[in-house]
Amino acid sequence: AQKVTQAQTEISVVEKEDVTLDCVYETRDTTYYLFWYKQPPSGELVFLIRRNSFDEQNEISGRYSWNFQKSTSSFNFTITASQVVDSAVYFCALSEGNNNDMRFGAGTRLTVKP
Amino acid sequence: NAGVTQTPKFQVLKTGQSMTLQCAQDMNHEYMSWYRQDPGMGLRLIHYSVGAGITDQGEVPNGYNVSRSTTEDFPLRLLSAAPSQTSVYFCASSYAQGQSYEQYFGPGTRLTVT
Repeated sequence: AQKVTQAQTEISVVEKEDVTLDCVYETRDTTYYLFWYKQPPSGELVFLIRRNSFDEQNEISGRYSWNFQKSTSSFNFTITASQVVDSAVYFCALSEGNNNDMRFGAGTRLTVKP
Repeated sequence: NAGVTQTPKFQVLKTGQSMTLQCAQDMNHEYMSWYRQDPGMGLRLIHYSVGAGITDQGEVPNGYNVSRSTTEDFPLRLLSAAPSQTSVYFCASSYAQGQSYEQYFGPGTRLTVT
């Protein structure tokens, strides 16, 4: 079965610092999908990105960037020049092919201090 | 569009009581799912449905029942609540079968079983 590990339970940074959230996954499938979701203090879950296993290009969206490396089974998320509003719990998730069982990591709680 | 709606937002049950968590979406999504979120464990899939009349078990189905009579609605039933079911429950929907599409989450239901 697929598995997602987010080893960083909590991270605290000062505003304007860069921060990288790690995500390591395990799967036997060659076709799979990786996701990042954000859960701010208000509790809702917000979709950030989806990446399929055949697309290893890194992606940048404003201050957010994602580094997908199949060689290390990692899909790391970097926030550049962090802001207080980035404070949230961030989840990495994995699904295999047409498998409907999406597995989430335990999440990383990011606190950005002013 | 209202997106994914869940009711109630909060619920307290006594051990052995039954209740139904409601979930509805107005995006005509085929795929709907229920997750529970517990501290330090991320989100775990309880049950899912790939269309009206079709449901299946996820990672942690015990103690929960679901049905899908319409595309819009996907209620989750607790037949005999237990303290171990104290959690935050999220309903989600996505465009099609399989996990290649991002899921849209409801605001969650916080359930306490005493």
